[in-house]
Amino acid sequence: DAGVTQSPTHLIKTRGQQVTLRCSPKSGHDTVSWYQQALGQGPQFIFQYYEEEERQRGNFPDRFSGHQFPNYSSELNVNALLLGDSALYLCASSFYDRGSGNTIYFGEGSWLTVV
Amino acid sequence: GQQLNQSPQSMFIQEGEDVSMNCTSSSIFNTWLWYKQDPGEGPVLLIALYKAGELTSNGRLTAQFGTTRKDSFLNISASIPSDVGIYFCALNGTGANNLFFGTGTRLTVIP
Repeated sequence: DAGVTQSPTHLIKTRGQQVTLRCSPKSGHDTVSWYQQALGQGPQFIFQYYEEEERQRGNFPDRFSGHQFPNYSSELNVNALLLGDSALYLCASSFYDRGSGNTIYFGEGSWLTVV
Repeated sequence: GQQLNQSPQSMFIQEGEDVSMNCTSSSIFNTWLWYKQDPGEGPVLLIALYKAGELTSNGRLTAQFGTTRKDSFLNISASIPSDVGIYFCALNGTGANNLFFGTGTRLTVIP
């Protein structure tokens, strides 16, 4: 059973460019969230997708957008990249179970460097 | 806004020593989570706490949910080199996957 998989693992972009990161949730999981983790800091919640809709959003500008597909996979798009967008972008998936609750699994992340 | 402070920021210990770290919040929460992040990987859940005063173990790890519901600690007994990493406390936000992470404690174990 594959866990949460993300691609690409590393990428370098230039300021002003756009980037798309991809995530496949753990099998059976229907909820996907994205986090940004700057160097030396804890992950920060960007947004959450469920049933192909953005359900919650953290304190991130509109340059950050996403999408969830019918197979529950998700994309994170960042437009007009800034140097400060350089970070590890983590995808997390979960499925709510009445008995065990909601366990969240993280992928290994996509390292984005903006130059 | 919500603050989640962890201490210490970093620790250097000898293999075999016990470790203790804690996390305090500015607000009351109903769930405390402890994650470990290895270099180059995503965070992995270690222990989840759901009731004030709850003490839960996972192997050599023990965590407690403070009675004030504003703090939690994590203990690691008899540390080994693979305990190296960053330990984060986290709280559930209002959504299913909306986690608020602490500042992290970086642990180095010297063989």
